[in-house]
Amino acid sequence: DTGVSQDPRHKITKRGQNVTFRCDPISEHNRLYWYRQTLGQGPEFLTYFQNEAQLEKSRLLSNRFSAERPKGSFSTLEIQRTEQGDSAMYLCASRTGQGGAEAFFGQGTRLTVV
Amino acid sequence: AQTVTQSQPEMSVQEAETVTLSCTYDTSESNYYLFWYKQPPSRQMILVIRQEAYKQQNATENRFSVNFQKAAKSFSLKISDSQLGDTAMYFCASINSNSGYALNFGKGTSLLVTP
Repeated sequence: DTGVSQDPRHKITKRGQNVTFRCDPISEHNRLYWYRQTLGQGPEFLTYFQNEAQLEKSRLLSNRFSAERPKGSFSTLEIQRTEQGDSAMYLCASRTGQGGAEAFFGQGTRLTVV
Repeated sequence: AQTVTQSQPEMSVQEAETVTLSCTYDTSESNYYLFWYKQPPSRQMILVIRQEAYKQQNATENRFSVNFQKAAKSFSLKISDSQLGDTAMYFCASINSNSGYALNFGKGTSLLVTP
């Protein structure tokens, strides 16, 4: 297993367009998390999945943000009608369900909205 | 609400010296975990060290150790014998069990190790 992978690494889009990011977690990890990181800040939690169930989505930044994890494997994060304020690094992490387990992060997708 | 505060935006240390990064936190949970993560430039976040709150002994991982002061809600990271490869952003984080053990991060400390 090569760890958590995210695609694409970079995305430049025009304001108003929709974008979708993909995350492939470590295969035996049942929990998957999405975070957003803006310049000079720590990552901010957005949503998480346990297997295919999205158990927390109240932290998604607006109703333009949505995430899926079909069949409990890879996950996608979609942002509709992008705005310049959406420009950030979007990080994915996966882990097992044990309380203190290590979260493994992908390299992130850097989104630039122009 | 859980908060994690890192009061040192930037720090610098010479190679082979020791540096301590500060972190304070606030939580209402009775048992919890604390972490230090490292984010090198343009590379992914990796775990440096973790501490379970009910364990009194401070965690150590090779050159990295923590000073966990539970009553003071303080969780500092000490890096001994600093190496150039330690240059990175360091984030202190707590676990939020109400959000499926999502990490709650501080703003980070940028550490520069100089020759």
